[in-house]
Parts: sequence; C-alpha cells; structure tokens
Amino acid sequence: AQSVAQPEDQVNVAEGNPLTVKCTYSVSGNPYLFWYVQYPNRGLQFLLKYITGDNLVKGSYGFEAEFNKSQTSFHLKKPSALVSDSALYFCAVRALSNDYKLSFGAGTTVTVRA
Amino acid sequence: DAGVIQSPRHEVTEMGQEVTLRCKPISGHNSLFWYRQTMMRGLELLIYFNNNVPIDDSGMPEDRFSAKMPNASFSTLKIQPSEPRDSAVYFCASSLAGSVSNQPQHFGDGTRLSIL
Repeated sequence: AQSVAQPEDQVNVAEGNPLTVKCTYSVSGNPYLFWYVQYPNRGLQFLLKYITGDNLVKGSYGFEAEFNKSQTSFHLKKPSALVSDSALYFCAVRALSNDYKLSFGAGTTVTVRA
Repeated sequence: DAGVIQSPRHEVTEMGQEVTLRCKPISGHNSLFWYRQTMMRGLELLIYFNNNVPIDDSGMPEDRFSAKMPNASFSTLKIQPSEPRDSAVYFCASSLAGSVSNQPQHFGDGTRLSIL
C-alpha cells in the first residue's frame, strides 16, 4: 500500500518570505516522489521529482524539495514566495515496484499575500 | 510542444443523458490515465491504459462508465446514463511509463462536468 499525507489544508505567507509545504508518505520499499501545482481551472503541472541520489531536488519556478528517508518526508520549499505562487499543491508517491499508480495527497492551498 | 488536450472544457447536461469526454495525449507517450477530481474525494484514478490496452479499470465507479483508446492519439471516457453525482472535473494525463520509468504524468486542463 502507498499513501501521502499533507497535514496542512492551507498555508499563508507574505510575499518574499520562505514557503514550505509539508508532505509525508508511506510506501513499501523505495519511493518515487512528485510535486504538482494546480492553478484555478487548470490541470496539474509537474514541479519536481525525487527518484534517487541527492536528497535535495530542484524543480521549476524556483521550487525545491528535500527527501528525508528517516522521517518519510518530502517537503516542498521556496526561499522567497511570490504572489503568483498562490495555488493548490499536491504531493504524490509511487513505489518503485509499482509501474504506474500514483497516490496523491489531498492538496495544500497556498496563499501568498502582497 | 502541445500538451495533453481535452475536450470539451465544460459540459452541462441533464441527468440521464450520455456524456463523452475526449483526450489527445502527448505524442509518443505510451500511457494514459483518466482521473476524477472532487472536493470530497480529491483525485481518483479511474482507468489506466498502456499501449492502448486497459490495464487497470478498478477505479471506474460502475458500469455506467466506460473508456476506450482506439489508437495512440485518442481516448474517450463515456458516462451513460449520467447522474448528478457524476458532476466533477475529469482529467486525462499521459506519460512515458513502464517498469523502469520514472517519468511524471502530464495532465490536461480537464473537463468540468455538471449533471443537472
């Protein structure tokens, strides 16, 4: 079985401040981990992924995520948030032994105020 | 490059009518997914195709739902007869996938379906 938890429904930050969106996962064996962002009336857009190697993964739009195996976490971060980062963010996990099925978290709504 | 293309973007119809949603995956992608997104249940995988063959349809809610992929560049999701509880946003996604693939899924912009 595989699952993802995003403990915060909403995250509010001021523009220019650091942004963190939390994600923890449960999977048998090693995971593939993904972050997606969804803007209103749009589909999910891929931000970044962790497969193996360096625990710090850099992605699109200045986002990065840190894989922590001992804490089974994959938190999304951005050093300086922009108003345009306001969106719905999804964490997803897939076991290496699983060919295709992603398990998504419930999503975290990020609001960046000017 | 064109992404995943879905049509229509919005569909409003009356209960009992047939609804057909369409998807054109990214060229060269061999896997296609249909998802449903609702506030209550989040993102649910309905069906997964690999090389045009349905591999996993365990997420299809009931017999009223059917999906086809007649070729590598086209898929449909059909609901017949439709019910108000089918109202949701339906997404199609495609990827290069396989036992050693770590490629992400690429999503279309969805079809917002409202059944009155």
